[in-house]
Amino acid sequence: DAKTTQPNSMESNEEEPVHLPCNHSTISGTDYIHWYRQLPSQGPEYVIHGLTSNVNNRMASLAIAEDRKSSTLILHRATLRDAAVYYCILRQGGSEKLVFGKGTKLTVNP
Amino acid sequence: ETGVTQSPTHLIKTRGQQVTLRCSSQSGHNTVSWYQQALGQGPQFIFQYYREEENGRGNFPPRFSGLQFPNYSSELNVNALELDDSALYLCASSFLGGSYNEQFFGPGTRLTVL
Repeated sequence: DAKTTQPNSMESNEEEPVHLPCNHSTISGTDYIHWYRQLPSQGPEYVIHGLTSNVNNRMASLAIAEDRKSSTLILHRATLRDAAVYYCILRQGGSEKLVFGKGTKLTVNP
Repeated sequence: ETGVTQSPTHLIKTRGQQVTLRCSSQSGHNTVSWYQQALGQGPQFIFQYYREEENGRGNFPPRFSGLQFPNYSSELNVNALELDDSALYLCASSFLGGSYNEQFFGPGTRLTVL
């Protein structure tokens, strides 16, 4: 399983943008980059995914490096409800398995 | 639209016992995956069921087994419980065959083995 590396924790202030980095130097051509987050006492929830191009949705943006060896999840304006553990996951095309690491614990200060 | 539900929410068992955890898929989904999450760790993939058959398995021993029913609900069975089986067990449902198989997770069952 391809591995990802994320910082253990990050802090942000409310209403400010947050950039969550992820390194995945062993990514293969068929691996999709996925982000899930897990709020306290809940199961993980899907945030966003991409293959090569940058992606935007109502929750976040995903910026993917040109060589695909790293990516950044961008929360444009952090709220207290965004405090969670964020997981960067590589998922092989056609595979249903999600391989989670330890993720980044995001703290949002009021 | 009903989300993924799991029962029970909490469970306490002793070593050597057997346990059955249950999961109801989100409406319209045909695939169920089970994950084990130890304290402070990310979830670990146990196995997945699609059309009532196992469709992939992680690095878990055979005493972890499962079932998927015609209504796509699922059970996770663990035999001969060990202390290390204490964890949060998460179920996720998805639709295999669509353009993107986003997984929707339930709130989990917290299992404590004494």
